[in-house]
Amino acid sequence: EAQVTQNPRYLITVTGKKLTVTCSQNMNHEYMSWYRQDPGLGLRQIYYSMNVEVTDKGDVPEGYKVSRKEKRNFPLILESPSPNQTSLYFCASSFRVGLDGRYHEQFFGPGTRLTVL
Amino acid sequence: QKEVEQNSGPLSVPEGAIASLNCTYSDRVSQSFFWYRQYSGKSPELIMSIYSNGDKEDGRFTAQLNKASQYVSLLIRDSQPSDSATYLCAVNSGGAGKSTFGDGTTLTVKP
Repeated sequence: EAQVTQNPRYLITVTGKKLTVTCSQNMNHEYMSWYRQDPGLGLRQIYYSMNVEVTDKGDVPEGYKVSRKEKRNFPLILESPSPNQTSLYFCASSFRVGLDGRYHEQFFGPGTRLTVL
Repeated sequence: QKEVEQNSGPLSVPEGAIASLNCTYSDRVSQSFFWYRQYSGKSPELIMSIYSNGDKEDGRFTAQLNKASQYVSLLIRDSQPSDSATYLCAVNSGGAGKSTFGDGTTLTVKP
């Protein structure tokens, strides 16, 4: 089954304790991205990756790190989590469609609900 | 001004009616436009994509794009209670991978 998986699905942690949220896709997609979703603020892009070893900042990258060492995996790292990073996080991946591959129709993972105390 | 703005809602329509969802964007170089549906507690799922001016129809859904007016809309015909969800408008700028979402419009279809 084609899917994007995230782990863990739920996480409660404390300020300053490093954590990693994993994301994996089995569709051989080049493009992957991380979002956070907060009430009233919609989905905001944190980081995205166009391919292995190619990453770039989205709209809200502060406090987050990513890496893309393999095509299928795109982990999100919070080195020193703070309460304002309490949120619902989504990973997404997409193939590129269109004659020049410009377009991204994204498939989303199930989400990770993170609480930082 | 937000980069992508949607009518704030909530929007309520009776079953069988047409639901109209609107979205405007500020970046003129935006090239691809998407509508995602998100049920409460679930992840967004793609329902429509549109890349060129005009209308695109898929079943009960029609997306409309007007790049000159920087406007994209979604029409849902014969609305069903199962269409009750939050609809997210998303805009991509070229091939750079940067995606910007609107805050969403919550639609309720009443039986």
